[in-house]
Amino acid sequence: EAGVTQSPTHLIKTRGQQATLRCSPISGHTSVYWYQQALGLGLQFLLWYDEGEERNRGNFPPRFSGRQFPNYSSELNVNALELEDSALYLCASSLFPARTANTEAFFGQGTRLTVV
Amino acid sequence: QKEVEQDPGPLSVPEGAIVSLNCTYSNSAFQYFMWYRQYSRKGPELLMYTYSSGNKEDGRFTAQVDKSSKYISLFIRDSQPSDSATYLCAMSGWGAGSYQLTFGKGTKLSVIP
Repeated sequence: EAGVTQSPTHLIKTRGQQATLRCSPISGHTSVYWYQQALGLGLQFLLWYDEGEERNRGNFPPRFSGRQFPNYSSELNVNALELEDSALYLCASSLFPARTANTEAFFGQGTRLTVV
Repeated sequence: QKEVEQDPGPLSVPEGAIVSLNCTYSNSAFQYFMWYRQYSRKGPELLMYTYSSGNKEDGRFTAQVDKSSKYISLFIRDSQPSDSATYLCAMSGWGAGSYQLTFGKGTKLSVIP
């Protein structure tokens, strides 16, 4: 069974440009999470999508946005790139996290974004 | 106070040693607790998860949760060089109207042959 796949693996952009990152969840998973992992800062929560809707958002500016498609794949867009946006962007997927049962989240390999 | 605190290390141990990794948390909404392992330049992989206080064992790994103290641990017995990685604790639960999956900063572990 295929795991979470992310593309591209690496992305180099110039400051001020826009970046689009893509994620395909594990088959059957409806929830997709995006995290930013910058050096020394750990995983910072960006966005959570489920059934095509944004369910929760981390403490990031509006230029970080995304969407989830009917097939549950997801896209993260970062507008007006800044140097400090350089990081590993990780996508994870899971079943919908019901209130009464745990659901495990599985990660992709990430997209390394470098802003120059 | 951050929701999840994890000593970033780095932690260096000789092969065969017992490793203890720890996290504390402040949010009582967290009900499920996980440990992920992340090798350099890779995505995190789920090692263990638990939802109740007590111990859970899987091979050389033991996860321990103390909800009353808001403290979780991961023990690695007979550590191997292949265990060298960054270990992330993670916690999840419903609170403030939404589901949260929050990670510690990770502890970098090196097992020296």
